Amino acid sequence: DAKTTQPTSMDCAEGRAANLPCNHSTISGNEYVYWYRQIHSQGPQYIIHGLKNNETNEMASLIITEDRKSSTLILPHATLRDTAVYYCIVRPWGDDKIIFGKGTRLHILP
Amino acid sequence: EPEVTQTPSHQVTQMGQEVILRCVPISNHLYFYWYRQILGQKVEFLVSFYNNEISEKSEIFDDQFSVERPDGSNFTLKIRSTKLEDSAMYFCASSEGSINEKLFFGSGTQLSVL
Repeated sequence: DAKTTQPTSMDCAEGRAANLPCNHSTISGNEYVYWYRQIHSQGPQYIIHGLKNNETNEMASLIITEDRKSSTLILPHATLRDTAVYYCIVRPWGDDKIIFGKGTRLHILP
Repeated sequence: EPEVTQTPSHQVTQMGQEVILRCVPISNHLYFYWYRQILGQKVEFLVSFYNNEISEKSEIFDDQFSVERPDGSNFTLKIRSTKLEDSAMYFCASSEGSINEKLFFGSGTQLSVL
């Protein structure tokens, strides 16, 4: 029962900003938006999360629309090492697990 | 940066055999998890563990599976009688707490059941 919708794959040129969209139109008020990524053959890696405000850390920025029905993960200067599957996850407050969908396969092109 | 350690990185076993996958979570973390990923498929939640008991499990986590924290540092996943369909990458994860804490994942154990 998918709570998020993401494109299957995307390409981005090295050095450019990668903008990964996610739709979560049925999100509830107590649900957070999380982003993880999985580089080939590695375990998932946390990137960022937010509730309603935009967030930024050393890895990425998260832009959440005012109605919270969609969000965009921004990798400001993509490198080849950012090639990975990116997962947008909606997680209820207080839920200790996270549930992965199929994600977006991002290819960074040299 | 502290990390979750999993051993072995690869495990090959015969169908019907028991296997134990081992994990050392980050030392001050209180919540522990097992996930699996069948080749080409999404990462699936198996079980979460807190305060020496299972807090939640998925439909995949049937009677063939068990988890244990035997000595305060290790966290293990046992599969009693492996089946061909248990072949997958198994990821251990830990988090500091349950309320919106991020999960840290290990690099996985690739289990091959022959």
